[in-house]
Amino acid sequence: AQSVTQLDSQVPVFEEAPVELRCNYSSSVSVYLFWYVQYPNQGLQLLLKYLSGSTLVKGINGFEAEFNKSQTSFHLRKPSVHISDTAEYFCAVIFQTGANNLFFGTGTRLTVIP
Amino acid sequence: KAGVTQTPRYLIKTRGQQVTLSCSPISGHRSVSWYQQTPGQGLQFLFEYFSETQRNKGNFPGRFSGRQFSNSRSEMNVSTLELGDSALYLCASSFGSGSGTEAFFGQGTRLTVV
Repeated sequence: AQSVTQLDSQVPVFEEAPVELRCNYSSSVSVYLFWYVQYPNQGLQLLLKYLSGSTLVKGINGFEAEFNKSQTSFHLRKPSVHISDTAEYFCAVIFQTGANNLFFGTGTRLTVIP
Repeated sequence: KAGVTQTPRYLIKTRGQQVTLSCSPISGHRSVSWYQQTPGQGLQFLFEYFSETQRNKGNFPGRFSGRQFSNSRSEMNVSTLELGDSALYLCASSFGSGSGTEAFFGQGTRLTVV
């Protein structure tokens, strides 16, 4: 079965500390992987994506993620968070079946504590 | 360059009524997708349109329908509204039809059914 899992629903972290948001997927076909951020009452903004090539992907706002095919993971990291990073983060997958729609994880609420 | 525009931003409807939501994609984008976001079910794919044709459809009842016009603007319609249809409806546009093409999201329409 094809699925996307974000195990951590909430992650509190102190300002300037590092953070890792976890994402795992299950698929019998190849995948494209994405991380989106959603601020209150806003739509989704793309942080970064993995389509092919280097497994370490750098995105906006200092975020990066690493695709690990053997562990079917795509964890998001930032070495030092800011108050402005407080938001909901969604991992998303396109399963390469010919369709183009995103399958989203349930989201992780990142709260940066001053 | 203007982003994805969704109108209206907020909507209150009564059970049994029908509603139409509008999405204007980024200029030049030909693909429009719709997603429903609820606290219980998260982000779920509704349908995708490309060049006025529905290319893909999620697992929603027939009360949910959509269309795309020749200028790529899209509308989605929900008939016979139910309380469970209360959600944030997000529209995303992308330039091409291939998987992995970046999707740009609008701010959403918050529908409340009473």
